[in-house]
Amino acid sequence: GDSVTQMEGPVTLSEEAFLTINCTYTATGYPSLFWYVQYPGEGLQLLLKATKADDKGSNKGFEATYRKETTSFHLEKGSVQVSDSAVYFCAQGGSNYKLTFGKGTLLTVNP
Amino acid sequence: GAGVSQSPSNKVTEKGKDVELRCDPISGHTALYWYRQSLGQGLEFLIYFQGNSAPDKSGLPSDRFSAERTGGSVSTLTIQRTQQEDSAVYLCASSSTSGVSYEQYFGPGTRLTVT
Repeated sequence: GDSVTQMEGPVTLSEEAFLTINCTYTATGYPSLFWYVQYPGEGLQLLLKATKADDKGSNKGFEATYRKETTSFHLEKGSVQVSDSAVYFCAQGGSNYKLTFGKGTLLTVNP
Repeated sequence: GAGVSQSPSNKVTEKGKDVELRCDPISGHTALYWYRQSLGQGLEFLIYFQGNSAPDKSGLPSDRFSAERTGGSVSTLTIQRTQQEDSAVYLCASSSTSGVSYEQYFGPGTRLTVT
């Protein structure tokens, strides 16, 4: 079945550091790919998405590019802030558009 | 507009009791999903409703779990004879069926604790 593998972390960075969270998927075809974020005490929010190969999703300074050749959708940000501290989930859309999630990566950004 | 709402926000129940969790999707969204978020398993798909079609129940972990969606809107997830391993956060999401990616909007979740 479909599965998503992401860097489990936790990841601890200093403010303004560069962030990469790796994500790979195993679905066949061209699933839609997503990054969701869960801030402390809050619900799951869509951060960005990409629906076809070579698409780049971007939001709030975060970017991820849909790479069909490596089945990857790595999340990057050039300069993280303390307010980016959260759990990040990579996900792919499958049959009936249900989402298969990675296990989540806890990011802590220190001032 | 209003987002996805879920109730209760927290539920503590004794092992063996039945519980009902409620989800109000975004108005006009025809697709509704239930997921479970637990420490050991991450986020797992449970069940999917789309309009009047038969639901996709492929993620339900046992026959103690069931869900219904009345009038194409509100959904109730029922867990019978709860077990401690059912303790988790139960998330509901809804989406419209327009567009390519069917973006899902999540509710705040119901935290279920089985003692």
